[in-house]
Amino acid sequence: DAKTTQPPSMDCAEGRAANLPCNHSTISGNEYVYWYRQIHSQGPQYIIHGLKNNETNEMASLIITEDRKSSTLILPHATLRDTAVYYCIVPRAGNNRKLIWGLGTSLAVNP
Amino acid sequence: KAGVTQTPRYLIKTRGQQVTLSCSPISGHRSVSWYQQTPGQGLQFLFEYFSETQRNKGNFPGRFSGRQFSNSRSEMNVSTLELGDSALYLCASSLAGQGDYGYTFGSGTRLTVV
Repeated sequence: DAKTTQPPSMDCAEGRAANLPCNHSTISGNEYVYWYRQIHSQGPQYIIHGLKNNETNEMASLIITEDRKSSTLILPHATLRDTAVYYCIVPRAGNNRKLIWGLGTSLAVNP
Repeated sequence: KAGVTQTPRYLIKTRGQQVTLSCSPISGHRSVSWYQQTPGQGLQFLFEYFSETQRNKGNFPGRFSGRQFSNSRSEMNVSTLELGDSALYLCASSLAGQGDYGYTFGSGTRLTVV
């Protein structure tokens, strides 16, 4: 998998937007960026993925820079339930089928 | 629809024993992957099964094994348990289409080896 770099922790006020950055400078042209989150003691939850266009779903928005070397996950109106560890992953293209997980960003949403 | 179901949720075993964990994927999902999560190492890939065949394997000793049944349900087995095997074991399923990494994870089985 392409190496990803995320800040170890971030804070956000409830109701504000949470912007979580990820650097993936070694990403290849056909590799997607995936985001997951893990709330304490639960299994990871898929959030969103994208290739080069910005993506939005009911959970979040994903902004990928034009050179694809970095991306930002945006939670538009963070709630206390969004407190979790967020992982940015770039799986290797092909049929490798395994995800390489870093340590992610621990997001604390404060009241 | 039902999510990924892992049983049991909690397990306590003694060193040297063996253990079997079960995972039922989402209906229609044919790929099942297993991960080990420990505080020090994070999530580590164990193996992936597709259509009853192991398709990928991580860097774990041979004490860790698995299998998948015709209904896509999967089991993993750990023999001769060691204290270091204490971890949260997570199962994830997907449709396994080309480039599909949108996994759905179960809640995990927390194994404690004493």
